[in-house]
Amino acid sequence: DTGVSQNPRHKITKRGQNVTFRCDPISEHNRLYWYRQTLGQGPEFLTYFQNEAQLEKSRLLSDRFSAERPKGSFSTLEIQRTEQGDSAMYLCASSSNTGRTGTYEQYFGPGTRLTVT
Amino acid sequence: GDSVTQMEGPVTLSEEAFLTINCTYTATGYPSLFWYVQYPGEGLQLLLKATKADDKGSNKGFEATYRKETTSFHLEKGSVQVSDSAVYFCALNPYNNNDMRFGAGTRLTVKP
Repeated sequence: DTGVSQNPRHKITKRGQNVTFRCDPISEHNRLYWYRQTLGQGPEFLTYFQNEAQLEKSRLLSDRFSAERPKGSFSTLEIQRTEQGDSAMYLCASSSNTGRTGTYEQYFGPGTRLTVT
Repeated sequence: GDSVTQMEGPVTLSEEAFLTINCTYTATGYPSLFWYVQYPGEGLQLLLKATKADDKGSNKGFEATYRKETTSFHLEKGSVQVSDSAVYFCALNPYNNNDMRFGAGTRLTVKP
């Protein structure tokens, strides 16, 4: 178990360009989450998948954002026509049902820091 | 909606001092409560959790008790170390929901 991994760790792009981030969850976890964290704030939920199905999306996820998890394993988050306001840390987390309590403990990756210039 | 509010930082303590970071929550149901820690340059790590009222979560000398009557989940440690310097996030997972709600984080600096 190598934990949740994310690539790239850092991305600098010019306004208007498209960017794509990848998340590899813990292998036996069926749930995968994307969050955004801006400086001095806690993470904010963007979207989540159960297996390959995207089951919930936040209002923060504008039309320029799209996330996929095609085979129920890794996930990608794409931002089209990036804006300076998209600059943030993008965090991925994964979880599995802990059974009796139904509490989905989420394990986070190191994040991808996006800077839009 | 369901949310958490945690005390603003930064907090600066001397080594071996007692730590309290306050966290209160608002929820319509029966949420699970968590503390996460983020060390410099790293992702969030789960520190401890509590899933129902009166549960006490503990790990690495840190403790927090789920208090339904005061809607609180304060983080405590009896004797902090320099290595505890990090940002601490209180978080709530609404019952039967999937998105974790985080506080703004409290930066702790422990000086030798």
